[in-house]
Amino acid sequence: DQQVKQNSPSLSVQEGRISILNCDYTNSMFDYFLWYKKYPAEGPTFLISISSIKDKNEDGRFTVFLNKSAKHLSLHIVPSQPGDSAVYFCAASRIQGGSEKLVFGKGTKLTVNP
Amino acid sequence: EPEVTQTPSHQVTQMGQEVILRCVPISNHLYFYWYRQILGQKVEFLVSFYNNEISEKSEIFDDQFSVERPDGSNFTLKIRSTKLEDSAMYFCASSEAAGGRQPQHFGDGTRLSIL
Repeated sequence: DQQVKQNSPSLSVQEGRISILNCDYTNSMFDYFLWYKKYPAEGPTFLISISSIKDKNEDGRFTVFLNKSAKHLSLHIVPSQPGDSAVYFCAASRIQGGSEKLVFGKGTKLTVNP
Repeated sequence: EPEVTQTPSHQVTQMGQEVILRCVPISNHLYFYWYRQILGQKVEFLVSFYNNEISEKSEIFDDQFSVERPDGSNFTLKIRSTKLEDSAMYFCASSEAAGGRQPQHFGDGTRLSIL
C-alpha cells in the first residue's frame, strides 16, 4: 500500500532552526491530512490536520501546507526544539459511509540537536 | 487531558491460542478503531466501530479477528487462533466524530508477541 509516502526516514536539524517534513500521496479522494508525533513506547499523538479544501493550517510553531496539484504536504516546525525529537507520521483520512480510515506513511525520525 | 488506555502493555501468547486486547476509549467518543504496526512497517488500519457495529474492516481483519464493546467503557479486539505473523504492536484509537476535524486519539498500544 503506497498511498501515503514519506521518503525521508530521518531528518536532523539544529535547535532554533526550521524542520520541514514532507509527505506525498496518490489518492485524490482523501478528505483530511493529519500529522502525528510518536515517542518510543507511546502511541501516536495528534499534532495538526488540514482539510483537503485548504492549503495551509497553522497552530503555534506548527504549520502544515497542502499542495493538491502536486499531491504533496509538508509540516514546518519553527523554531525547532529538542523536545520535538520524535517520529512524525503523515496520515490521510478517507471518510466513507460515515466511517473514517487513516492511511499512514512510514514515518520520519526527527532529531533536533541542542 | 483524557486519554485512551490499553491493557496489557505487552502480551506473550503461544501460537494457536486466543488473545483479547483491551482498550478504554475517551469517554465522550463515539467512534472506535484498531490499528496494528508490524515491526519496521507502517501503521495499518484494521477496523472501525460505531453504534455497536463494524463500520469498515480491512483485508487483514479476517474471520480470526473480532471486536466487541461489552459495556459502556471497554472496546476489545479478540484474535481467535493466533499465528506468528500476528506479532505486532496493536493500537486502539477513538474519536468524537469521523473526520480530521475531530482527530483520532491513540492509546500507547499493546505489544503482542506470538511464540
